[in-house]
Amino acid sequence: GQNIDQPTEMTATEGAIVQINCTYQTSGFNGLFWYQQHAGEAPTFLSYNVLDGLEEKGRFSSFLSRSKGYSYLLLKELQMKDSASYLCAAPRPHSGNTPLVFGKGTRLSVIA
Amino acid sequence: GAVVSQHPSRVICKSGTSVKIECRSLDFQATTMFWYRQFPKQSLMLMATSNEGSKATYEQGVEKDKFLINHASLTLSTLTVTSAHPEDSSFYICSAQALAGGRDEQFFGPGTRLTVL
Repeated sequence: GQNIDQPTEMTATEGAIVQINCTYQTSGFNGLFWYQQHAGEAPTFLSYNVLDGLEEKGRFSSFLSRSKGYSYLLLKELQMKDSASYLCAAPRPHSGNTPLVFGKGTRLSVIA
Repeated sequence: GAVVSQHPSRVICKSGTSVKIECRSLDFQATTMFWYRQFPKQSLMLMATSNEGSKATYEQGVEKDKFLINHASLTLSTLTVTSAHPEDSSFYICSAQALAGGRDEQFFGPGTRLTVL
């Protein structure tokens, strides 16, 4: 299967920058996804990385290092509405792009 | 595009009854749909892969006779929780697979909150 590990909880201040890390199993790797999930809602897609490096998309950026089995999600200029769970996900090894296996999620609390 | 709906969004039922949850791809055809379950403060756990016109593939530990999946058309998959018990109370989320940006991608429904009394 796929083993995905990420911190359980993080707290950051409004306007600050926060980095959420994720490690995954590298065998049969076929891309890494980040999703945002507000309480009681379905996950919404944030980013997809399949090559090494940083992908920037507005206030959110995602980084991937395939050799290290490591990714991070970077959130800049934090807003209160960014309080949510952030899920790192990857397809099962050798299974194409689906189905996705999710990490336990990092609950981010943004405080004033 | 790539919108997935679920119905109902919330259901409360008595222990021992059966509950059906529908998952629809509204503007695309999905030969494959996935069903996930999420307990409070836990991650999404894949329950089964639903393929149109064939039997679903269940994950280890998921009882196929308790969680009946039917994928009768390219836009509809249903999950029936039979003889529901309080421990089945959870957030059930479906996703539909579609080709986007040259790769298969999962598009998630809004989820169904099941509470069994």
